[in-house]
Amino acid sequence: KNEVEQSPQNLTAQEGEFITINCSYSVGISALHWLQQHPGGGIVSLFMLSSGKKKHGRLIATINIQEKHSSLHITASHPRDSAVYICAAAPYSGGGADGLTFGKGTHLIIQP
Amino acid sequence: GAVVSQHPSRVICKSGTSVKIECRSLDFQATTMFWYRQFPKKSLMLMATSNEGSKATYEQGVEKDKFLINHASLTLSTLTVTSAHPEDSSFYICSAYPGQRETQYFGPGTRLLVL
Repeated sequence: KNEVEQSPQNLTAQEGEFITINCSYSVGISALHWLQQHPGGGIVSLFMLSSGKKKHGRLIATINIQEKHSSLHITASHPRDSAVYICAAAPYSGGGADGLTFGKGTHLIIQP
Repeated sequence: GAVVSQHPSRVICKSGTSVKIECRSLDFQATTMFWYRQFPKKSLMLMATSNEGSKATYEQGVEKDKFLINHASLTLSTLTVTSAHPEDSSFYICSAYPGQRETQYFGPGTRLLVL
């Protein structure tokens, strides 16, 4: 069973700061997801990546398959980025076609 | 982008009753749908995987007779919590997978409170 660990669990930062959230997993995967969950619960998929780096706006996700580690970065953070960020590992065989194993999430608060 | 809806968004029911939650992919067909559960301040946990036209595959520890899953079409899966108890109170989230190694798309979730 894959163990997915995230750090930090809680992070409070000032608007404009560069944010890094880390995720490590114990077993080889086919893909890693980064998700965003706002108060009220709705989940948005930010990235799915299996190698290298992806960028979308102010968000950047990287993954190191050998190290079994991924990071999510937010540049020029803004209060609307406040949310819970969750990493989730997809096992081999399906990419998106298999149930995910989730980290516990990082609760991010960006103060104005 | 792909949209997944869930209905209802919130439900309160009495202990012993059954509750049905619908998950629909609105603008794509989903070969596979997943049901997850999230307790307060806990990780999401996979409950079951459902493929259209076949029986759902349940994760260890999830009672298939209690959590009935029906995947009637490529755009609709339902989760029925039978004979609900207060410990079933939780946040239930579905996701839909369109195939071809795309990502899963998540529904907005259903908050269930059993009194």
